[in-house]
Amino acid sequence: DTGVSQDPRHKITKRGQNVTFRCDPISEHNRLYWYRQTLGQGPEFLTYFQNEAQLEKSRLLSDRFSAERPKGSFSTLEIQRTEQGDSAMYLCASSLPHPGIDTQYFGPGTRLTVL
Amino acid sequence: AQSVTQLDSQVPVFEEAPVELRCNYSSSVSVYLFWYVQYPNQGLQLLLKYLSGSTLVESINGFEAEFNKSQTSFHLRKPSVHISDTAEYFCAVTWMDSSYKLIFGSGTRLLVRP
Repeated sequence: DTGVSQDPRHKITKRGQNVTFRCDPISEHNRLYWYRQTLGQGPEFLTYFQNEAQLEKSRLLSDRFSAERPKGSFSTLEIQRTEQGDSAMYLCASSLPHPGIDTQYFGPGTRLTVL
Repeated sequence: AQSVTQLDSQVPVFEEAPVELRCNYSSSVSVYLFWYVQYPNQGLQLLLKYLSGSTLVESINGFEAEFNKSQTSFHLRKPSVHISDTAEYFCAVTWMDSSYKLIFGSGTRLLVRP
């Protein structure tokens, strides 16, 4: 068990550029979540996959954001035409369904800075 | 709307003193409750969780939390803190009628001083 990994760990970009982040969940975990955390706040839910199906998206996920999990393993989160307000830590979590509840394990996050 | 409240943004405490970090949530509908800890420059780590059964749950490093349904609270306690407990602590809740997404509080920074 190598844990959830995220790449890159840090990304600095200029406003208007596109960025893509990758998350590799714990193997065998079929649920994958994306959260965003800004300074001084707790993480906020963005979207959730079960296998390759994206089952829920937060209203925080504007049209500039898109997430995929094409083969039900790793996932990517793309932000188009980045804005300074997109600067945040982007967290990925994965879980294995347990009857009634699953426990989410988090990766180290990707810190995005938009200049 | 579903929400989680951590009223204390920062809790300073001396080493070996007891501490309580407060967490309240918005609804008494069936919930699952979690505490996560974030050490400096590290990711979120699960500290403990309440799913069902005994309302008092414990972690391996001496923390405990008690689920109080009537008060919709899940406060975190430790009888004697160490310098190494300095971190950000997040309370999180999953409502059973949701997609299992976690709703987090804004966090409490525990600062342990020698």
